[in-house]
Amino acid sequence: ETGVTQTPRHLVMGMTNKKSLKCEQHLGHNAMYWYKQSAKKPLELMFVYNFKEQTENNSVPSRFSPECPNSSHLFLHLHTLQPEDSALYLCASSRDAAGGYYEQYFGPGTRLTVT
Amino acid sequence: AQTVTQSQPEMSVQEAETVTLSCTYDTSESDYYLFWYKQPPSRQMILVIRQEAYKQQNATENRFSVNFQKAAKSFSLKISDSQLGDAAMYFCAYRSRRSGGSNYKLTFGKGTLLTVNP
Repeated sequence: ETGVTQTPRHLVMGMTNKKSLKCEQHLGHNAMYWYKQSAKKPLELMFVYNFKEQTENNSVPSRFSPECPNSSHLFLHLHTLQPEDSALYLCASSRDAAGGYYEQYFGPGTRLTVT
Repeated sequence: AQTVTQSQPEMSVQEAETVTLSCTYDTSESDYYLFWYKQPPSRQMILVIRQEAYKQQNATENRFSVNFQKAAKSFSLKISDSQLGDAAMYFCAYRSRRSGGSNYKLTFGKGTLLTVNP
């Protein structure tokens, strides 16, 4: 596989469930990102990891818990979600999240529906 | 804080014709990057074109070109000879050119959904 992959592509969960989203990048990058994409709203940056260290938490509720075990993998653990959390969750990676400009490469996203 | 505004939620174009998508932004910085991203129905967002604010020349990538008006803080995307595969959501985005801190952040507009009619 090449680029940035995300699994699952679709997820339906109840408000009391616990689930995880997975992202994997095959580009040798050191920075990984989680974005939330809701209809008619700009993409919202949620979390950033640079060299496995979390460098950004954009006031995200604690029901979203990220994990970055290594530079190639990023998880988003979900628990006790609300219906308004239904959205497309995009993962991205870049060579670095500091220093100069490095293009962000996006995965296809996980469409999450909270019932 | 920077903001990016795309005033056209939806646009349509006939195949082989030209369409222009609008984007305006607000920033107090003088050096930055501007981008257009394309998100097709398969949802993988890809970079279409990038403009560096210090460059006066408008960026071009094959059928895609921009009209960058720095003083007006305007950054429109022109798609020439539109093809069915151009149908997608298009996002305008801004990034500071400064290093360090949170300057790597991309600020996105809400997007413009482009339909290409055969």
